[in-house]
Amino acid sequence: QKEVEQNSGPLSVPEGAIASLNCTYSDRGSQSFFWYRQYSGKSPELIMSIYSNGDKEDGRFTAQLNKASQYVSLLIRDSQPSDSATYLCAVRKWNVSGGSNYKLTFGKGTLLTVNP
Amino acid sequence: EAGVAQSPRYKIIEKRQSVAFWCNPISGHATLYWYQQILGQGPKLLIQFQNNGVVDDSQLPKDRFSAERLKGVDSTLKIQPAKLEDSAVYLCASSSRGLSSYEQYFGPGTRLTVT
Repeated sequence: QKEVEQNSGPLSVPEGAIASLNCTYSDRGSQSFFWYRQYSGKSPELIMSIYSNGDKEDGRFTAQLNKASQYVSLLIRDSQPSDSATYLCAVRKWNVSGGSNYKLTFGKGTLLTVNP
Repeated sequence: EAGVAQSPRYKIIEKRQSVAFWCNPISGHATLYWYQQILGQGPKLLIQFQNNGVVDDSQLPKDRFSAERLKGVDSTLKIQPAKLEDSAVYLCASSSRGLSSYEQYFGPGTRLTVT
């Protein structure tokens, strides 16, 4: 089982619709969860972080975390063509192999296409 | 606030040659990371520094990759000799020690092509 799993997509939605991106993780000890947006040929950009169960809203973005189900999602309301990108889910947990530090593990990302 | 700086942005080399990448983190950020991102994959951590000490290099291919962070600021990542499978984007990221230290900020990356 992969540590962080995402549907690679592509996920295609019409402009103005809600885009729903999902991510599951395997380690129950995971503590912090992040969504990064990566445009083609660019580096990842942090857009949301969530640390506790429930919803966290920031503008058109809502992150949802359910630790019991080991599931984190990102909702994008009123999707715009400029939201077309790959969305990376990242999970932070205690690094048992690397000394006293935390480790961030990324999923493969979901490609989102918003059609005008 | 200036972001993470990396150079060069692009590099093309032949297999068995050597290459070096440079990273300057966000000012004041104590933690620096090097990631490898192969096309279609998420970033994979190669090495993590806390100030100038290595805290995790478990996924660094140490027979060919090396990295250093002198004086706890800039860092260099070297590959010698390069293999075809090293073709990837090499990303540098940094994070601070404060409440937002969970959050990593990435530089523009160096795209390496090994022919």
